[in-house]
Amino acid sequence: DAGVIQSPRHEVTEMGQEVTLRCKPISGHNSLFWYRQTMMRGLELLIYFNNNVPIDDSGMPEDRFSAKMPNASFSTLKIQPSEPRDSAVYFCASRGTGRATEAFFGQGTRLTVV
Amino acid sequence: DQQVKQNSPSLSVQEGRISILNCDYTNSMFDYFLWYKKYPAEGPTFLISISSIKDKNEDGRFTVFLNKSAKHLSLHIVPSQPGDSAVYFCAASAQGSNYKLTFGKGTLLTVNP
Repeated sequence: DAGVIQSPRHEVTEMGQEVTLRCKPISGHNSLFWYRQTMMRGLELLIYFNNNVPIDDSGMPEDRFSAKMPNASFSTLKIQPSEPRDSAVYFCASRGTGRATEAFFGQGTRLTVV
Repeated sequence: DQQVKQNSPSLSVQEGRISILNCDYTNSMFDYFLWYKKYPAEGPTFLISISSIKDKNEDGRFTVFLNKSAKHLSLHIVPSQPGDSAVYFCAASAQGSNYKLTFGKGTLLTVNP
């Protein structure tokens, strides 16, 4: 398996534009997580899905952020409209079943909003 | 409110010596703890974990210690190697939380040759 695949790796956009980040989890994993990494706040959990259903989106910073998981092999995180303070690295991670299993992370998308 | 705290943003050690990375937590419901390592421009990778029913878990050069009464865990790397230079994140989850992982802010470890 190629691991968790995120695209794009880098995204530069202008303030006010819509940004869509994509994630393909590891096949067979039933949990998917979106994290954001910043210098100030470290790794923050934004939202996670279990069996394609959003379980907890309390980490989503505001209504400009939305996430979907239409099927077991694909998820998107959308920011509309984007703002400079959204600049960060966004990670997607997936995990299989079982309590004591770790989450596997993608390589991340570095988002810069100018 | 930071439930998982890594109070040392950075740590520098000499090759061959021991590296000790510390982590404190405040949520008494946490019962599973993990350490992840992250190189620049890569995603975090799992390193080692420990359940709250244990106080020590060892995997090669890496050992994690858990002190539940102090709500403290540490990662020991012996001997440290230059390739260990990375950011180390401590993470925790609570039973019934559906594996919601809460991370610390990370500690940058630099191992000098």
